[in-house]
Amino acid sequence: ELKVEQNPLFLSMQEGKNYTIYCNYSTTSDRLYWYRQDPGKSLESLFVLLSNGAVKQEGRLMASLDTKARLSTLHITAAVHDLSATYFCAVGDAGGADGLTFGKGTHLIIQP
Amino acid sequence: NAGVTQTPKFQVLKTGQSMTLQCAQDMNHNSMYWYRQDPGMGLRLIYYSASEGTTDKGEVPNGYNVSRLNKREFSLRLESAAPSQTSVYFCASSEALWGAGAPGEQYFGPGTRLTVT
Repeated sequence: ELKVEQNPLFLSMQEGKNYTIYCNYSTTSDRLYWYRQDPGKSLESLFVLLSNGAVKQEGRLMASLDTKARLSTLHITAAVHDLSATYFCAVGDAGGADGLTFGKGTHLIIQP
Repeated sequence: NAGVTQTPKFQVLKTGQSMTLQCAQDMNHNSMYWYRQDPGMGLRLIYYSASEGTTDKGEVPNGYNVSRLNKREFSLRLESAAPSQTSVYFCASSEALWGAGAPGEQYFGPGTRLTVT
């Protein structure tokens, strides 16, 4: 059974600081996704990581994947208040269309 | 392009009542999914449909049934609602892994907030 663990689950940080969210998963997979969710809203796709060593960047967010360590990271650089949200990582089974297994999410609050 | 749409947006049921949640996508995706989201739990897969005419159970299927009506539509039915089914329900769709675009990337609908009293 695939398990996905995120940490931390809650993070309060100041604007301008850097931080990293970690996503560990338990079985082999080469598909990892990061989503953002604002309160009361749906999920918005941020990054799709499909191979070992993959790195994607968008603005102040950068995601990476190490399939050998079964670890993905979401790094926030010089945080701004607009990045306050809940961030989920999700892992796809090798089979493909089986749906995704989600972590519990990291609730991120960025304070001025 | 509306993407993934869901109806209703909100619903309150009494224990034992039944209802159907509707989902439709206009992206010509083969795969569709139903998830539920509970506080502190992330999203959990209820059922999925890899293609028109097929459905399979996910992690938490008990108390639910689904119908893949055609390629666009995938409905979720609660036959006898229970308070434990109070949740936010999300429908999603994706292209098959061998399709165009980001393989397996799922696109989510706006959600249905269901309360069972």
